[in-house]
Amino acid sequence: AQSVTQPDIHITVSEGASLELRCNYSYGATPYLFWYVQSPGQGLQLLLKYFSGDTLVQGIKGFEAEFKRSQSSFNLRKPSVHWSDAAEYFCAPNFGNEKLTFGTGTRLTIIP
Amino acid sequence: DTEVTQTPKHLVMGMTNKKSLKCEQHMGHRAMYWYKQKAKKPPELMFVYSYEKLSINESVPSRFSPECPNSSLLNLHLHALQPEDSALYLCASSQDGRRTDTQYFGPGTRLTVL
Repeated sequence: AQSVTQPDIHITVSEGASLELRCNYSYGATPYLFWYVQSPGQGLQLLLKYFSGDTLVQGIKGFEAEFKRSQSSFNLRKPSVHWSDAAEYFCAPNFGNEKLTFGTGTRLTIIP
Repeated sequence: DTEVTQTPKHLVMGMTNKKSLKCEQHMGHRAMYWYKQKAKKPPELMFVYSYEKLSINESVPSRFSPECPNSSLLNLHLHALQPEDSALYLCASSQDGRRTDTQYFGPGTRLTVL
């Protein structure tokens, strides 16, 4: 069965600190992988996506993600977070159909 | 312009009311989506329209009725809803509905059913 897991429900980091949000999936092949961000009370915005090729992908707002086939992971990183990065982050693989499968999300809190 | 607009922003309705949610995009996208998002949960797909035809219905109750009058507009008609239907309803669009498409989301309509 195909599934996606975001192990961290809530992460708190200090402004200026680095960030890594985890995403693991279970699937018999490599899915198409997306990270979306949702600010409070808003819709979702694509941060970055991976289909094939270079396993380190760059996105908007200074985010990057690395695909690791051996670990079935697609973790999101940012070297230095800003207060405006406080939001909910969703990993969303596409497992071979028209649909995105959203992870349960990780809520990011930034402390000054 | 990468904007998806949704109206109204907020809606309060009784269980016997009939109301509609509206979604519009002018990006030339041919796939449009309705999602339901409960508090502190991920979005759940409800419907997908591809080239104005309903391509996915995720076993949504018939009290939700989607309509795609043209390639730019998507409506969700609501009738006889239950309090548990209270949620944020998100609309999205994408180029063709392909796996590689980026979905562009609107800000949502926050629905409260009394």
